[in-house]
Amino acid sequence: QKEVEQDPGPLSVPEGAIVSLNCTYSNSAFQYFMWYRQYSRKGPELLMYTYSSGNKEDGRFTAQVDKSSKYISLFIRDSQPSDSATYLCAMSDPGGFKTIFGAGTRLFVKA
Amino acid sequence: GAVVSQHPSWVICKSGTSVKIECRSLDFQATTMFWYRQFPKQSLMLMATSNEGSKATYEQGVEKDKFLINHASLTLSTLTVTSAHPEDSSFYICSARGGGAKNIQYFGAGTRLSVL
Repeated sequence: QKEVEQDPGPLSVPEGAIVSLNCTYSNSAFQYFMWYRQYSRKGPELLMYTYSSGNKEDGRFTAQVDKSSKYISLFIRDSQPSDSATYLCAMSDPGGFKTIFGAGTRLFVKA
Repeated sequence: GAVVSQHPSWVICKSGTSVKIECRSLDFQATTMFWYRQFPKQSLMLMATSNEGSKATYEQGVEKDKFLINHASLTLSTLTVTSAHPEDSSFYICSARGGGAKNIQYFGAGTRLSVL
């Protein structure tokens, strides 16, 4: 079993839709949870960062962490064609010695 | 803040030559830097982890003599692909950790290497 599972997609939605991206993990030691966005032939860009459980909102993006279920989500409201990219989840332990990345979900938002 | 600069963005070289890729943290001190390789439509593959002033730790299957990593200062790490061959053609991405939130990795823009 992989430490982090993420559906690679692709996920195709119409413009304006609410997008839900998810990851599950197995290591209960993970405390830091990140979401990155990667455009084609570019490096990943940090979108959201949360510590432990709870929600965090930034504009159209909301990150949720449910540690009891070992499940994290990223919601994108009013999705735009410019949101089309690969979204990677990542998580690390308190010492930060180990960061595990999901495989990434490819998202296409159609105009 | 937390900007990582990677240079060059694209390099084409002849088979047998060596190529150096630079990774700089511009506004923070990077205690740890990471080098990844990524094939088209695939996920990041960690190649090595380097801490400033010490030897890099390579992942299993990564040739140390082929991919030389130097982390000479808290703001600069370099990856040298020695005697490059067409199978080394790939997208190489660096990341650095040590900014505001120490558990966060900040990525460079990546380098596309094409070996002819």
